[in-house]
Amino acid sequence: EIVLTQSPGTLSLSPGARATLSCRASQSVTSNYLAWYQQKPGQAPRLLIYGASRRATGIPDRFSGSGSGTDFTLTISRVEPEDFAVYYCQQYGSSPYTFGQGTRLEIK
Amino acid sequence: EVQLVQSGAEVKKPGESLTISCKGSGYNFATYWIGWVRQMPGKGLEWMGIIHPGDSDTRYSPSFQGQVTFSVDKSISTAYLQWSSLKASDTAMYYCARPFGFPGPFNYWGQGTLVTVSS
Repeated sequence: EIVLTQSPGTLSLSPGARATLSCRASQSVTSNYLAWYQQKPGQAPRLLIYGASRRATGIPDRFSGSGSGTDFTLTISRVEPEDFAVYYCQQYGSSPYTFGQGTRLEIK
Repeated sequence: EVQLVQSGAEVKKPGESLTISCKGSGYNFATYWIGWVRQMPGKGLEWMGIIHPGDSDTRYSPSFQGQVTFSVDKSISTAYLQWSSLKASDTAMYYCARPFGFPGPFNYWGQGTLVTVSS
């Protein structure tokens, strides 16, 4: 089973700042099948990025994904007030398709 | 419009059985896998497994194998998650979700079903 470790656990930023979230895999992710989700309180997760760097439909271009192999990054170029949430990475290259433990992006 | 609509919240006692449902609409239900994700109170997402409605091919996470059962009734476009004997530790929000391919991430999600197990 691939273990995904996200860092930091909590990221405190002001609106307009750049956010960099990390996801590290315990072994190489097949075909870079790595996704990022955003979850707000009381809501289901929303897919942001898949295939490590492809934005899902309707996702603003301030969200970008990068990385390959075992190290992946989600970047929010300028954080908007509605971006404060919890972010999860998920690998879907090897079953079970595990999630990371999440990074909370909070207002500074 | 693709929609996944889950059954309502449940409150059960330890040892009881339970089945929750997830009804798909707006697409060919038999064509796309349906997955289940657990989120315990205040915790992260856990991938439980996935089932293909067309042939009931099922993949369980080892963490959930033998603890739950997935099933589908494609005639009514509905997937099910069932427990034969609930434990307090099954208290969680359960989401069904659909990937746009297999393997694939989940791009459509149900609203979640809260299951509370308490004596």
